[in-house]
Amino acid sequence: SYVLTQPPSVSVAPGKTARITCGGNKIGSRNVHWYQQKPGQAPVLVVYYDSNRPSGIPERFSGSNSGNTATLTISRVEAGDEADYYCQVWDRGSDHNVFGTGTKVTVL
Amino acid sequence: QVQLVQSGAEVKKPGASVKVSCKAFGYTFSNYGINWVRQAPGQGLEWMGWISVYNGDTYYAQNLQGRVIMTTDTSTNTAYMELRSLRSDDTAVYYCVRDGRASGSHPGYWFDPWGQGTLVTVSS
Repeated sequence: SYVLTQPPSVSVAPGKTARITCGGNKIGSRNVHWYQQKPGQAPVLVVYYDSNRPSGIPERFSGSNSGNTATLTISRVEAGDEADYYCQVWDRGSDHNVFGTGTKVTVL
Repeated sequence: QVQLVQSGAEVKKPGASVKVSCKAFGYTFSNYGINWVRQAPGQGLEWMGWISVYNGDTYYAQNLQGRVIMTTDTSTNTAYMELRSLRSDDTAVYYCVRDGRASGSHPGYWFDPWGQGTLVTVSS
């Protein structure tokens, strides 16, 4: 089955840029979606189809996808961005949706 | 406002079954598929499966085949997920999630919005 690998944690100072990677075999050929989950809450979509933002998501959130790595970038990080982040793809080979292992973003 | 509202928390004994409901508001129910995702305590997200509200087609995660059944009732705009032969490692928060794009025929889209989650605890 298809595996998506994320770093367990990323730490960033307020106002700086956080980059969260999602690694998978030829992930650049797939559509990648990203979710933010704060403690005790349901996940929220922050990026879909690699780089599109749903309405209500700040422009500080952006995405890219190429080769074997997709990246979620959070610019001008704020304290409220502290959360777990998950990537997700559809695996045609297994007809399964697959989530990444998740990354905890800590704002210093 | 598009919203999914789930049933309340459940406590079950090992070997029992649980059925979680998910009522949809604010959109044409039959135009979008529904996914179910679970999250064990302190763990990541696990996709359980998808159902087409349009025609009832289902895709189930391989590790849950034979234990999970997903259904919908278009008369009440409600989706259901039943999990049988519960084990302690089925203890988790269960989420229903709508496909992000209208399509009755096939899964594979982003997930939006999410229900509020239903805690299912399996304990003797």
